[in-house]
Amino acid sequence: DTAVSQTPKYLVTQMGNDKSIKCEQNLGHDTMYWYKQDSKKFLKIMFSYNNKELIINETVPNRFSPKSPDKAHLNLHINSLELGDSAVYFCASSQNRASRYGYTFGSGTRLTVV
Amino acid sequence: QKEVEQDPGPLSVPEGAIVSLNCTYSNSAFQYFMWYRQYSRKGPELLMYTYSSGNKEDGRFTAQVDKSSKYISLFIRDSQPSDSATYLCAMSAGGSEKLVFGKGTKLTVNP
Repeated sequence: DTAVSQTPKYLVTQMGNDKSIKCEQNLGHDTMYWYKQDSKKFLKIMFSYNNKELIINETVPNRFSPKSPDKAHLNLHINSLELGDSAVYFCASSQNRASRYGYTFGSGTRLTVV
Repeated sequence: QKEVEQDPGPLSVPEGAIVSLNCTYSNSAFQYFMWYRQYSRKGPELLMYTYSSGNKEDGRFTAQVDKSSKYISLFIRDSQPSDSATYLCAMSAGGSEKLVFGKGTKLTVNP
Protein backbone atom coordinates (compact mmCIF):
# COMPACT_ATOMS: atom_id res chain seq x y z
CA ASP A 1 0.00 0.00 0.00
CA THR A 2 1.39 3.39 -0.99
CA ALA A 3 1.70 5.63 2.08
CA VAL A 4 1.60 9.00 0.28
CA SER A 5 0.22 8.90 -3.24
CA GLN A 6 0.08 11.73 -5.75
CA THR A 7 -1.73 12.02 -9.05
CA PRO A 8 -0.88 12.55 -11.76
CA LYS A 9 2.76 11.43 -11.93
CA TYR A 10 3.40 13.48 -15.06
CA LEU A 11 1.67 16.61 -16.31
CA VAL A 12 2.51 18.42 -19.53
CA THR A 13 0.46 21.52 -20.22
CA GLN A 14 0.54 24.82 -22.05
CA MET A 15 1.23 28.21 -20.53
CA GLY A 16 -1.87 29.90 -19.22
CA ASN A 17 -3.72 26.69 -18.38
CA ASP A 18 -5.06 25.76 -14.93
CA LYS A 19 -4.17 22.39 -13.43
CA SER A 20 -4.58 20.45 -10.19
CA ILE A 21 -2.44 17.87 -8.39
CA LYS A 22 -3.98 15.57 -5.80
CA CYS A 23 -2.38 13.95 -2.78
CA GLU A 24 -3.63 11.35 -0.34
CA GLN A 25 -1.95 9.75 2.68
CA ASN A 26 -3.08 6.59 4.47
CA LEU A 27 -0.67 6.91 7.42
CA GLY A 28 -3.13 8.61 9.74
CA HIS A 29 -0.84 11.66 9.88
CA ASP A 30 -2.19 15.04 10.93
CA THR A 31 0.09 17.27 8.85
CA MET A 32 0.64 17.46 5.09
CA TYR A 33 2.95 19.55 2.93
CA TRP A 34 3.61 20.64 -0.63
CA TYR A 35 7.22 20.99 -1.71
CA LYS A 36 8.65 22.20 -5.03
CA GLN A 37 11.90 20.68 -6.29
CA ASP A 38 13.69 22.61 -9.00
CA SER A 39 16.07 21.27 -11.63
CA LYS A 40 18.99 21.59 -9.20
CA LYS A 41 17.18 19.28 -6.76
CA PHE A 42 16.54 21.99 -4.17
CA LEU A 43 13.44 21.18 -2.09
CA LYS A 44 11.48 24.26 -1.11
CA ILE A 45 8.40 24.18 1.10
CA MET A 46 5.31 25.85 -0.29
CA PHE A 47 2.44 25.05 2.08
CA SER A 48 1.61 23.00 5.11
CA TYR A 49 -1.75 21.98 6.55
CA ASN A 50 -2.37 20.57 10.00
CA ASN A 51 -5.70 18.82 10.35
CA LYS A 52 -7.16 20.89 7.49
CA GLU A 53 -5.78 24.17 8.83
CA LEU A 54 -3.17 26.12 6.84
CA ILE A 55 -0.09 26.57 9.03
CA ILE A 56 2.71 27.35 6.60
CA ASN A 57 2.32 29.56 3.56
CA GLU A 58 5.71 30.46 2.16
CA THR A 59 6.24 33.19 -0.39
CA VAL A 60 4.39 31.54 -3.25
CA PRO A 61 2.51 33.34 -6.06
CA ASN A 62 -1.20 33.43 -5.32
CA ARG A 63 -1.76 31.49 -8.54
CA PHE A 64 -1.04 28.48 -6.30
CA SER A 65 -3.92 27.53 -4.03
CA PRO A 66 -3.87 24.51 -1.73
CA LYS A 67 -7.00 22.83 -0.44
CA SER A 68 -7.37 20.23 2.26
CA PRO A 69 -10.87 18.69 2.32
CA ASP A 70 -9.83 16.39 5.20
CA LYS A 71 -6.60 15.55 6.99
CA ALA A 72 -5.82 12.67 4.60
CA HIS A 73 -5.98 14.80 1.45
CA LEU A 74 -4.13 17.87 0.25
CA ASN A 75 -4.59 19.16 -3.27
CA LEU A 76 -2.75 21.89 -5.15
CA HIS A 77 -4.42 24.00 -7.81
CA ILE A 78 -2.34 26.17 -10.07
CA ASN A 79 -3.88 28.94 -12.19
CA SER A 80 -2.40 30.59 -15.30
CA LEU A 81 0.60 28.28 -15.48
CA GLU A 82 3.96 29.84 -16.40
CA LEU A 83 7.16 28.32 -17.79
CA GLY A 84 8.86 28.85 -14.41
CA ASP A 85 6.34 26.58 -12.73
CA SER A 86 7.98 23.58 -14.41
CA ALA A 87 9.36 21.46 -11.56
CA VAL A 88 8.65 18.33 -9.57
CA TYR A 89 6.03 18.87 -6.88
CA PHE A 90 6.16 16.60 -3.85
CA CYS A 91 3.48 15.99 -1.31
CA ALA A 92 4.61 14.87 2.15
CA SER A 93 3.06 14.10 5.51
CA SER A 94 4.19 13.93 9.11
CA GLN A 95 2.65 12.53 12.26
CA ASN A 96 1.95 16.01 13.57
CA ARG A 97 3.23 19.55 13.07
CA ALA A 98 6.36 18.72 15.08
CA SER A 99 8.86 18.05 12.33
CA ARG A 100 11.44 16.25 14.43
CA TYR A 101 10.61 12.77 13.12
CA GLY A 102 10.83 13.77 9.48
CA TYR A 103 8.35 13.52 6.69
CA THR A 104 7.10 10.78 4.38
CA PHE A 105 7.17 11.89 0.77
CA GLY A 106 5.11 10.88 -2.24
CA SER A 107 6.82 9.99 -5.49
CA GLY A 108 6.26 13.41 -7.03
CA THR A 109 4.39 15.04 -9.90
CA ARG A 110 6.63 16.16 -12.74
CA LEU A 111 5.03 19.30 -14.19
CA THR A 112 6.24 20.60 -17.54
CA VAL A 113 4.81 23.86 -18.87
CA VAL A 114 5.37 24.43 -22.58
CA GLN B 1 24.43 32.90 4.74
CA LYS B 2 22.04 30.09 3.87
CA GLU B 3 20.58 28.18 6.81
CA VAL B 4 21.86 24.82 5.50
CA GLU B 5 24.80 24.39 3.13
CA GLN B 6 25.51 21.16 1.30
CA ASP B 7 28.06 20.54 -1.42
CA PRO B 8 26.03 19.47 -4.46
CA GLY B 9 28.85 17.34 -5.87
CA PRO B 10 28.55 15.35 -8.02
CA LEU B 11 30.57 12.74 -6.19
CA SER B 12 31.77 9.63 -8.04
CA VAL B 13 33.43 6.76 -6.18
CA PRO B 14 34.38 3.14 -6.95
CA GLU B 15 32.39 0.30 -5.42
CA GLY B 16 33.58 -0.53 -1.91
CA ALA B 17 34.78 3.01 -1.13
CA ILE B 18 33.90 4.86 2.06
CA VAL B 19 31.76 7.87 1.24
CA SER B 20 31.53 11.00 3.38
CA LEU B 21 28.67 13.45 2.85
CA ASN B 22 28.45 16.67 4.84
CA CYS B 23 26.27 19.63 5.69
CA THR B 24 26.90 22.77 7.67
CA TYR B 25 24.25 24.96 9.21
CA SER B 26 23.94 28.34 10.84
CA ASN B 27 20.89 28.03 13.11
CA SER B 28 22.02 26.92 16.56
CA ALA B 29 18.41 26.05 17.43
CA PHE B 30 18.51 22.99 15.14
CA GLN B 31 18.51 19.81 17.18
CA TYR B 32 16.90 17.18 14.96
CA PHE B 33 18.96 16.01 12.00
CA MET B 34 18.04 13.72 9.16
CA TRP B 35 19.44 12.28 5.98
CA TYR B 36 17.19 11.50 3.07
CA ARG B 37 18.05 9.42 0.01
CA GLN B 38 16.41 10.23 -3.29
CA TYR B 39 16.68 7.91 -6.25
CA SER B 40 16.19 9.33 -9.73
CA ARG B 41 12.53 10.16 -10.41
CA LYS B 42 11.47 9.12 -6.91
CA GLY B 43 10.53 10.94 -3.73
CA PRO B 44 13.03 11.42 -0.88
CA GLU B 45 13.01 8.62 1.69
CA LEU B 46 14.20 8.97 5.27
CA LEU B 47 17.49 7.16 5.73
CA MET B 48 18.85 8.24 9.11
CA TYR B 49 17.59 10.34 12.00
CA THR B 50 19.59 11.72 14.92
CA TYR B 51 18.82 13.97 17.82
CA SER B 52 21.38 16.47 19.12
CA SER B 53 25.09 15.61 19.00
CA GLY B 54 26.60 12.16 18.62
CA ASN B 55 26.75 9.20 16.28
CA LYS B 56 24.15 6.78 15.06
CA GLU B 57 24.91 3.63 13.10
CA ASP B 58 22.58 1.58 10.92
CA GLY B 59 24.25 -1.15 8.91
CA ARG B 60 26.67 0.45 6.47
CA PHE B 61 25.46 3.96 7.31
CA THR B 62 26.71 6.18 10.14
CA ALA B 63 25.32 9.64 10.89
CA GLN B 64 27.37 12.08 12.96
CA VAL B 65 26.31 15.39 14.45
CA ASP B 66 28.71 17.95 15.89
CA LYS B 67 26.56 20.77 17.23
CA SER B 68 29.54 22.76 18.47
CA SER B 69 30.81 23.03 14.88
CA LYS B 70 27.32 23.08 13.35
CA TYR B 71 28.36 20.22 11.11
CA ILE B 72 26.69 16.91 10.25
CA SER B 73 27.99 13.97 8.27
CA LEU B 74 26.77 10.76 6.71
CA PHE B 75 29.29 7.97 6.15
CA ILE B 76 28.60 5.05 3.86
CA ARG B 77 30.91 2.06 4.26
CA ASP B 78 31.49 -0.51 1.53
CA SER B 79 29.50 1.59 -0.92
CA GLN B 80 27.42 -0.26 -3.52
CA PRO B 81 26.12 0.77 -6.95
CA SER B 82 22.63 0.68 -5.38
CA ASP B 83 23.73 3.58 -3.15
CA SER B 84 23.85 5.82 -6.24
CA ALA B 85 21.33 8.55 -5.47
CA THR B 86 21.05 12.13 -4.28
CA TYR B 87 21.48 12.50 -0.52
CA LEU B 88 19.77 15.42 1.21
CA CYS B 89 20.40 16.56 4.74
CA ALA B 90 17.48 18.06 6.66
CA MET B 91 17.17 19.59 10.08
CA SER B 92 14.68 21.14 12.42
CA ALA B 93 14.56 23.07 15.66
CA GLY B 94 11.66 20.88 16.75
CA GLY B 95 8.29 22.05 17.94
CA SER B 96 6.26 23.27 15.01
CA GLU B 97 9.30 24.49 13.09
CA LYS B 98 9.52 23.21 9.54
CA LEU B 99 12.24 20.93 8.20
CA VAL B 100 14.96 22.80 6.33
CA PHE B 101 16.71 20.87 3.56
CA GLY B 102 20.18 21.10 2.06
CA LYS B 103 20.46 21.19 -1.72
CA GLY B 104 21.48 17.53 -1.94
CA THR B 105 24.68 15.75 -3.04
CA LYS B 106 24.52 13.50 -6.06
CA LEU B 107 26.48 10.30 -5.48
CA THR B 108 27.45 7.73 -8.11
CA VAL B 109 29.05 4.44 -7.06
CA ASN B 110 30.75 2.80 -10.01
CA PRO B 111 30.95 -1.01 -10.18
